[in-house]
Amino acid sequence: GAVVSQHPSWVICKSGTSVKIECRSLDFQATTMFWYRQFPKQSLMLMATSNEGSKATYEQGVEKDKFLINHASLTLSTLTVTSAHPEDSSFYICRALALELNNEQFFGPGTRLTVL
Amino acid sequence: GQQLNQSPQSMFIQEGEDVSMNCTSSSIFNTWLWYKQDPGEGPVLLIALYKAGELTSNGRLTAQFGITRKDSFLNISASIPSDVGIYFCAGQKTYNTDKLIFGTGTRLQVFP
Repeated sequence: GAVVSQHPSWVICKSGTSVKIECRSLDFQATTMFWYRQFPKQSLMLMATSNEGSKATYEQGVEKDKFLINHASLTLSTLTVTSAHPEDSSFYICRALALELNNEQFFGPGTRLTVL
Repeated sequence: GQQLNQSPQSMFIQEGEDVSMNCTSSSIFNTWLWYKQDPGEGPVLLIALYKAGELTSNGRLTAQFGITRKDSFLNISASIPSDVGIYFCAGQKTYNTDKLIFGTGTRLQVFP
């Protein structure tokens, strides 16, 4: 079946550094990918919608200059958390729509970010 | 951000019991989805509902899309220990292409 990978699966960084998280569709093309954030014991909250070749659309309250999204190819979207702070510590999950599978959707396994 | 109201928040049941949880929204959705999430992993799709009134089963799981399109429920029959996890409902305005809005989650614990 269709697979979405995320890299890294977990990352620990110092406050003030930037962290890049990759979301890759392994066996299908994804014109649209969504990025979610999940704090401990909470639900998934949509951060932004990423479309290949165009600017991402951010949800209200999500700082676009802090969470940089690049969807440069049909199989890769990246989320960069710039100048990370402890409150950015969270589980980041991507969701990809498979173009050739009638936009069936697949979640990545998530990336756990811990900012010290 | 917008969230759907899901209840109960948590459930502690004995193996073999049936479980029911539901999800409500103030606005209409055209697709309802139910997911299970294990710790440290992404959500896994359990059941998808595309039509108001639809009742769909997947093994021991049964879900229904409410007639008003503002609610959905999920039933798990004869629970087993591996049913432990967090269950999320999710609503979508447009089939598959639109953003998913998630419910607040129901944490299920099954005791042998």
